[in-house]
Amino acid sequence: EAGVAQSPRYKIIEKRQSVAFWCNPISGHATLYWYQQILGQGPKLLIQFQNNGVVDDSQLPKDRFSAERLKGVDSTLKIQPAKLEDSAVYLCASSFPGSQRGKLFFGSGTQLSVL
Amino acid sequence: QQQVKQSPQSLIVQKGGISIINCAYENTAFDYFPWYQQFPGKGPALLIAIRPDVSEKKEGRFTISFNKSAKQFSLHIMDSQPGDSATYFCAASKEEYGNKLVFGAGTILRVKS
Repeated sequence: EAGVAQSPRYKIIEKRQSVAFWCNPISGHATLYWYQQILGQGPKLLIQFQNNGVVDDSQLPKDRFSAERLKGVDSTLKIQPAKLEDSAVYLCASSFPGSQRGKLFFGSGTQLSVL
Repeated sequence: QQQVKQSPQSLIVQKGGISIINCAYENTAFDYFPWYQQFPGKGPALLIAIRPDVSEKKEGRFTISFNKSAKQFSLHIMDSQPGDSATYFCAASKEEYGNKLVFGAGTILRVKS
């Protein structure tokens, strides 16, 4: 079974530039999550989708971050404009109905460096 | 606001020893406590989980101990191996929030051979 795919693996940008990350969850997984993992911290949920609808985006900085999940499959997370404090690993995860509670399948992440 | 406090930040254990990582939570509404393991360059992966109505859960060399009154839980890795070297995260969730997880800050474990 293929895992959660993310790209790019690494991204380096200047502050105030824009950047986009892509995620392809495991086939059949209706729930998709974007987490931000700052160095030395645990992952923090940015947004959760159920199919193509947003379930929770309470911690998404909406003035600069946006995310979409068209057709309930792939998802894109965008940052515009980026700030230095956005440097982090952006993790995408997915889960399916009936899976063990708390069991999320994570991708390897996109490491973003904002200079 | 950090809702799950994890310690220590890093841990070095000799091969064959016991690794112990502790977590404490504040919100008594939390009702599910998973532990995740993360290797460098990889995403976290679920290791083991416990509900608060159980005081202990064991899976192989990994055991979660849970103290509901103290609002604390811990991960014990018995017979620690170099392959266990990774970052470990405790987490907590509430039934009403489904799979929304609040993670601790993580513990970097190094097992010396």
